[in-house]
Amino acid sequence: DADVTQTPRNRITKTGKRIMLECSQTKGHDRMYWYRQDPGLGLRLIYYSFDVKDINKGEISDGYSVSRQAQAKFSLSLESAIPNQTALYFCATSADGASIYEQYFGPGTRLTVT
Amino acid sequence: GDSVTQMEGPVTLSEEAFLTINCTYTATGYPSLFWYVQYPGEGLQLLLKATKADDKGSNKGFEATYRKETTSFHLEKGSVQVSDSAVYFCALSDPNAGGTSYGKLTFGQGTILTVHP
Repeated sequence: DADVTQTPRNRITKTGKRIMLECSQTKGHDRMYWYRQDPGLGLRLIYYSFDVKDINKGEISDGYSVSRQAQAKFSLSLESAIPNQTALYFCATSADGASIYEQYFGPGTRLTVT
Repeated sequence: GDSVTQMEGPVTLSEEAFLTINCTYTATGYPSLFWYVQYPGEGLQLLLKATKADDKGSNKGFEATYRKETTSFHLEKGSVQVSDSAVYFCALSDPNAGGTSYGKLTFGQGTILTVHP
């Protein structure tokens, strides 16, 4: 079984709808991240969490919110989806300490907002 | 702020050709440098890393040397295979960053590599 899973893998939604993307991990890592990937722009950090009680905004948090329900679960919500949020979304995890920069990524969720 | 710039893609090569993907960075302090690879339909995975000047990271036949004088971390492989077709991301992290910046990665825009038989 995959260490980092994301659901759904693909989603098409309409402008103005609320949508939640979910991420679960079995690696036991405290740190979790949400990124979006756009062609030619690489990965940009949306939100990150160092533990259940710690949530931090990344470089492009506007229009998004997150919830860290447990150490293993980190959800990303789009309160009112808009077409320019069409992208590939990745969840990632990392351990603390010496391996902190080795991030483990889920397979991604392809979101299309029409 | 910190930034990473990769060579424009896509890169198309024949099998067994030599590969170079250029990466340069801008950062305060002394960052750690990484190459991540994304195979089709998958998430990113760490390919190699270097944490100080003149370090060479290597894995699966790929190499990259941390060049502080040129602020570069170019990825090379002597003989590519079809299975190396993927998107390659250069990234950095500042190990001296404190507070909420600790542990964050800054990614380049990615370079698509296609290898033909």
